[in-house]
Amino acid sequence: QVQLVQSGAEVRKPGASVKVSCKASGYTFTSHYIHWVRLAPGQGLEWMGIINPNTGSTTYAQKFQGRVTMTRDTSTSTVYMELSSLRSEDTAVYYCARDRHPLPTYYFDYWGQGTLVTVSS
Amino acid sequence: EIVMTQSPATLSVSPGERATLSCRASQGVSSNLAWYQQKPGQAPRLLMYDASTRAAGIPARFSGSGSGTEFILTISSLQSEDFAVFYCQQYNNWPLTFGGGTKVEIK
Repeated sequence: QVQLVQSGAEVRKPGASVKVSCKASGYTFTSHYIHWVRLAPGQGLEWMGIINPNTGSTTYAQKFQGRVTMTRDTSTSTVYMELSSLRSEDTAVYYCARDRHPLPTYYFDYWGQGTLVTVSS
Repeated sequence: EIVMTQSPATLSVSPGERATLSCRASQGVSSNLAWYQQKPGQAPRLLMYDASTRAAGIPARFSGSGSGTEFILTISSLQSEDFAVFYCQQYNNWPLTFGGGTKVEIK
């Protein structure tokens, strides 16, 4: 069965960086794009960007341009999301989510369990 | 950026009753709209896509309608497992955007 398993919770100080991993299994890793979405306390869901695991090409939401980097390792079927220059407003649960179709469709059928990133001095 | 507005913010409903959730887009998104359900401590679950198509394994009591700027998610007879937060998401334009959510709680 399709599974996306994310790395564990992280605590960082303001100005630091964090790298979250998302390991895929149960399907052909390179066939579906992966998105990153976050949920901050008291807020709604927020889309951060997308990576094509086959080519490594990425598109980021303008809000995160310059601070986010998404990469992948095809040998381990893992995608990574690194967010730099962290501030308290980046405290959130970060999710990876699989695009439903190889084309892609830009909505998400499988999600990781989420990774809590806390930014605090 | 397309702003998605959901209403109401909270909906109190008794089990067995009908729930109607609204989602409005700041500009037309055709039928490129998805709905998700999220329970506390869990990842969101895809309910509907293309505004009115149920995702795999979603019960028939969930239905979606609308196009352009106005969308509705209806739960015909609420079951205990349905109480959660529901989000709409447009995928017609970059960036992809979500509504703020509607919490469906037990009355």
